[in-house]
Amino acid sequence: YVLTQPPSVSVAPGQTARITCEGNNIGSKSVHWYQQKPDQAPVLVVYDDRYRPSGIPERFSGSNSGNTATLTISRVEAGDEADYYCQVWDSSSDLRVVFGGGTKLAVL
Amino acid sequence: QMQLQESGPGLVKPSETLSLTCTVSGGSISSSSYYWGWIRQPPGKGLEWIGTIYYNGNTYYNPSLKSRLTISGDTSKNQFSLNLSSVTAADTAVYYCARHFRSYYDSSGYPDNWGQGTLVTVSS
Repeated sequence: YVLTQPPSVSVAPGQTARITCEGNNIGSKSVHWYQQKPDQAPVLVVYDDRYRPSGIPERFSGSNSGNTATLTISRVEAGDEADYYCQVWDSSSDLRVVFGGGTKLAVL
Repeated sequence: QMQLQESGPGLVKPSETLSLTCTVSGGSISSSSYYWGWIRQPPGKGLEWIGTIYYNGNTYYNPSLKSRLTISGDTSKNQFSLNLSSVTAADTAVYYCARHFRSYYDSSGYPDNWGQGTLVTVSS
């Protein structure tokens, strides 16, 4: 199972960033999103398509339908600049945990 | 708050075996609510899932690594380990251990708690 993300997304502070994750009928799977800042471990920011772990700002939200899942970051801040990865569990293959290639979010 | 900490050599010679241990504190690897696994990230590249182990000993491995890979657990020490044999420079990466939340409904999982990562370099 292949997840495709755009290599980069750019947005001005205060605007809304949308990062997509494409996969065949991804809407039938649960999608999870991770934020990774330089030299840090990834942090879960959205799980099961649209839920936020404790401590993650409400500005982070997710959706998933058809062949595209989307991570939306509202009112973007400079501190949101990071790499973002989507992930699914593929029970139909031995490669159970699948990550997208990652998207670099640049805050202009 | 559960914490995970990787430990092991930072330098491994080509053709040798890479061995890492993840020590879990603040929780038990015997819990049926989680998988326990490894993920790596080559310098400047994306995340690659290596494999996971469940409390009953069931393992799931990345097919591209399966022939060289063993993941095991030690409940007495609350640790789980990674052994990757016959390493090459392509195995140079930051290695993360991670707790994976396991869904009761479909047994799917996702990493929800990560260690800080440890850089392993394969070089003579």
